[in-house]
Amino acid sequence: EAGVTQFPSHSVIEKGQTVTLRCDPISGHDNLYWYRRVMGKEIKFLLHFVKESKQDESGMPNNRFLAERTGGTYSTLKVQPAELEDSGVYFCASSQFTLATNEKLFFGSGTQLSVL
Amino acid sequence: DAKTTQPPSMDCAEGRAANLPCNHSTISGNEYVYWYRQIHSQGPQYIIHGLKNNETNEMASLIITEDRKSSTLILPHATLRDTAVYYCIVRVTGANSKLTFGKGITLSVRP
Repeated sequence: EAGVTQFPSHSVIEKGQTVTLRCDPISGHDNLYWYRRVMGKEIKFLLHFVKESKQDESGMPNNRFLAERTGGTYSTLKVQPAELEDSGVYFCASSQFTLATNEKLFFGSGTQLSVL
Repeated sequence: DAKTTQPPSMDCAEGRAANLPCNHSTISGNEYVYWYRQIHSQGPQYIIHGLKNNETNEMASLIITEDRKSSTLILPHATLRDTAVYYCIVRVTGANSKLTFGKGITLSVRP
């Protein structure tokens, strides 16, 4: 069974450009989460999808970040325009059920984003 | 969710047991203890979780004190591949809450 896959694994862009990160969850997993770790900081929650609906987007830093999950399968996270402080590793995770049922999260390997 | 406290780092010899402590003195009755780890260049990986009874799976054992104010993750025979940052997370079940990662403890397994 394939795990959570993220693309690209690395992205280097210039300040002001746009970048789109993609996450393919494990097949059949309705719950999809985005997290990120910026340099020297802890892993922080960004948002949570249940199928195609945003369940919790309390961690999204500002309106330069847009997450979508059309059709309830893969998800994209777009940063437009990118700023220097957006550099970090962006993780995607999925689970079959919500964490309310003691479900565990399966994480992808992350996308390393570098904004120059 | 209750706050957890972990030492910043520890090491152990390959083949020996690694005992990773976690303090969660403000834990409440409906909060579970979860452990995840992050090996360099990979995403976090679930290890184990428990409420008040000790738990064991193919990866590790989780020992929770009777008063539930602290716990220990035990890797019975540490290997070099167990070198990682280990996160102890306390969270309420039954709520639609997310995982909140702290600083974790860096375990270095030496040959």
